[in-house]
Amino acid sequence: VIWMTQSPSLVSASTGDRVTISCRLSQGISTYLAWYQQKPGKAPELLLYAASTLQTGVPSRFSGSGSGTEFTLTINYLLPEDFATYYCQQYYSIPPTFGQGTKVDIK
Amino acid sequence: QVQLQESGPGLVKPSETLSLTCTVSGGSISTYYWGWVRQPPGKTLEWIGHIYYSGSTNYNPSLKSRITISVDTSKNQFSLRLNSVTAADTALYYCARDYWGSNYFDYWGPGILVTVSS
Repeated sequence: VIWMTQSPSLVSASTGDRVTISCRLSQGISTYLAWYQQKPGKAPELLLYAASTLQTGVPSRFSGSGSGTEFTLTINYLLPEDFATYYCQQYYSIPPTFGQGTKVDIK
Repeated sequence: QVQLQESGPGLVKPSETLSLTCTVSGGSISTYYWGWVRQPPGKTLEWIGHIYYSGSTNYNPSLKSRITISVDTSKNQFSLRLNSVTAADTALYYCARDYWGSNYFDYWGPGILVTVSS
């Protein structure tokens, strides 16, 4: 099983801020990494896959980078609708595993 | 636009079997892979397993002895059975489309809360 560590677990930010979330893995996965956004009471929504490819319809203020064991999700110019919990997920091997989540809340 | 909807009992007794169905609309189930993910209250997501329309499956090793995922292409549905449930199986259960068996999910159902309690 590949273990994943997201940091920080909580980010307090303001509208207009730039937010960076880190995802570190216990072994290398090339770029087999996805990022999801989840709002309270809702299902997760796919933001990026292959570490840096934006899912159709996702705003370009979201971006991803990294390979191997270190990955980053960046949200440029935070908007009110971006306050949510973000999860990374590796799909390099079975079972696919998710990070513990990073909550982005209002400062 | 593909839509998924979970259905099934919201309450299951300990030691019994949890059974959920996912109905797919807006597209045929006879392409792609289809999967189940669960999320205990306040916790992260856990991949349960997935199925191809042909019936080929992959399961999470931690649950493999207790789960069965099946597909009914005539109804555009796939299902999850989890037997011998305990309180630890209490979670929001999501069905989702697994993008070409890649094991990431691009469409999700709204989720169904299943509580294991006597």
